[in-house]
Amino acid sequence: DTEVTQTPKHLVMGMTNKKSLKCEQHMGHRAMYWYKQKAKKPPELMFVYSYEKLSINESVPSRFSPECPNSSLLNLHLHALQPEDSALYLCASSQLGLSGNTIYFGEGSWLTVV
Amino acid sequence: GQQVMQIPQYQHVQEGEDFTTYCNSSTTLSNIQWYKQRPGGHPVFLIQLVKSGEVKKQKRLTFQFGEAKKNSSLHITATQTTDVGTYFCAGAQTSGSRLTFGEGTQLTVNP
Repeated sequence: DTEVTQTPKHLVMGMTNKKSLKCEQHMGHRAMYWYKQKAKKPPELMFVYSYEKLSINESVPSRFSPECPNSSLLNLHLHALQPEDSALYLCASSQLGLSGNTIYFGEGSWLTVV
Repeated sequence: GQQVMQIPQYQHVQEGEDFTTYCNSSTTLSNIQWYKQRPGGHPVFLIQLVKSGEVKKQKRLTFQFGEAKKNSSLHITATQTTDVGTYFCAGAQTSGSRLTFGEGTQLTVNP
């Protein structure tokens, strides 16, 4: 069982909708991540938060808006998405920093944009 | 930028056969991590290698990190149907840098 919890597990949204993906971890990790994964491809890094501050934005379109309310929570706000944004969105956390530490992935949120 | 190549892309084996996937980086790595993703699942951490020439074993899985810290391999002895999934390597160029994932090797095991 993963210790990174993501909700919802499945989401279908229209291109004009606004929705949010939520992530929670209780491992005391200070780095949290959003990844996007398309079928048969590796996870692609989107955002990294370190100590609740956005440290990396991998040139992600502004229709994706991350938020880190506290050290345990991470949200991804979605607005005006395109069908090509349909993918598995993975939240992850690690103890500190980006490398040299195990990244723990959540089970993901399967997003379909119609 | 850093590139991590992983081969093969697909591997089909009969149960009981061995399996190996290889990872090669264009630059020297600080460390390399391996993940397994079952069909319909999420990536699960398997192991991290840090030292040049390091070899680690987990039951039937053997992980190696090259002497130059630019390549790595995962070898599974006597595959089982539970080994089915996609195996990803992920390398970091320097301490604190982002992880770069390989494209993954999708393993199918025929019973």
